[in-house]
Amino acid sequence: LAKTTQPISMDSYEGQEVNITCSHNNIATNDYITWYQQFPSQGPRFIIQGYKTKVTNEVASLFIPADRKSSTLSLPRVSLSDTAVYYCLVGSPGYSSASKIIFGSGTRLSIRP
Amino acid sequence: NAGVTQTPKFRVLKTGQSMTLLCAQDMNHEYMYWYRQDPGMGLRLIHYSVGEGTTAKGEVPDGYNVSRLKKQNFLLGLESAAPSQTSVYFCASRAGASGANVLTFGAGSRLTVL
Repeated sequence: LAKTTQPISMDSYEGQEVNITCSHNNIATNDYITWYQQFPSQGPRFIIQGYKTKVTNEVASLFIPADRKSSTLSLPRVSLSDTAVYYCLVGSPGYSSASKIIFGSGTRLSIRP
Repeated sequence: NAGVTQTPKFRVLKTGQSMTLLCAQDMNHEYMYWYRQDPGMGLRLIHYSVGEGTTAKGEVPDGYNVSRLKKQNFLLGLESAAPSQTSVYFCASRAGASGANVLTFGAGSRLTVL
């Protein structure tokens, strides 16, 4: 499975755009990039997934360059409620990858008024 | 549609006691996982299952046992609890190999071992 590296923590202010970058140099051809969000005392929840280029939903955008060795989660106009830990995972839908899904330490995002 | 349900939500044990955490999912998912999360840390995979009747070890399996007798249930057991097992336990499930590569998590079970 491709190893991921992301910043341990980030700070920002309400109304700003926040970009969290994840490095995954050993990403395989069939791998997708998936981001999860975890609020305190809750289980992680899926926020966005992509394979290449750009994906956007009502929560975030995910930018993936052509070489796919990194990805950037973009949160537009953050609010205090976006304070959470964000995890980047890389893996394929196939059996061999789905058998073990390993989370790293994530990025602890703190939003200030 | 409840998703992934974990019981109990809270439990306090004395060292040496045993207990079982239950995870139930109603999405007909093939794969199920048990993670633990210590304060301020990321999630660590304890055990997982890729189908009814199958289980396998994750990153930190020692001191835990699991069973998947029914597709919808994944049980995590502690035979002799230790203070080092004080943690929040999360169960997750996902569709099989042909489904979306997305995990659905339960709300967590907070375990304290005295």
